[in-house]
Amino acid sequence: QQKVQQSPESLSVPEGGMASLNCTSSDRNFQYFWWYRQHSGEGPKALMSIFSDGDKKEGRFTAHLNKASLHVSLHIRDSQPSDSALYFCAASERQGGRALIFGTGTTVSVSP
Amino acid sequence: GPKVLQIPSHQIIDMGQMVTLNCDPVSNHLYFYWYKQILGQQMEFLVNFYNGKVMEKSKLFKDQFSVERPDGSYFTLKIQPTALEDSAVYFCASSLGGGNTLYFGEGSRLIVV
Repeated sequence: QQKVQQSPESLSVPEGGMASLNCTSSDRNFQYFWWYRQHSGEGPKALMSIFSDGDKKEGRFTAHLNKASLHVSLHIRDSQPSDSALYFCAASERQGGRALIFGTGTTVSVSP
Repeated sequence: GPKVLQIPSHQIIDMGQMVTLNCDPVSNHLYFYWYKQILGQQMEFLVNFYNGKVMEKSKLFKDQFSVERPDGSYFTLKIQPTALEDSAVYFCASSLGGGNTLYFGEGSRLIVV
């Protein structure tokens, strides 16, 4: 069983539209969450971290965390073709260099 | 931003041979990681390393795998002997401290034939 599940598996969004990605953990020990983005042929790059309940906004990206339900979401406003990539939710039990466990991934395609 | 360099970018190797994947982490980072990714799918944690020691390893980190970072040089992943199922892209990552963001390299694509 995957400890970090993402949905949907893939998502098509028109340019300028809103993309919404979901992530759920099955391990209540996970308290720290990140969103990473991976373009084809590259390594993942961190978009943002979220450690506290509520919303966190960075530019066009907004993350939301609900620790009680172990649910994290990412919303991309005004989607651009350059946002087309594989998005990963990642979770860690605690700070101290512990393993960062990645989710199953969501492929986002933004069409002009 | 901070750069993690991985060498080689691609390698084809015969099954049963040894391979060493090299990683040059961000200069002041203290925590180091290896991940495995097959066919652009999920990033799977292999191992993390701090202060000269393995901190955690997953079930994917088989006995044939080893890591080391002798005297602040490259952080290496060695596979000996290699098997067909080791074919994948291996990503190295580093972080400044525990709980900090991981910075990934561009990956080393390993093909075992």
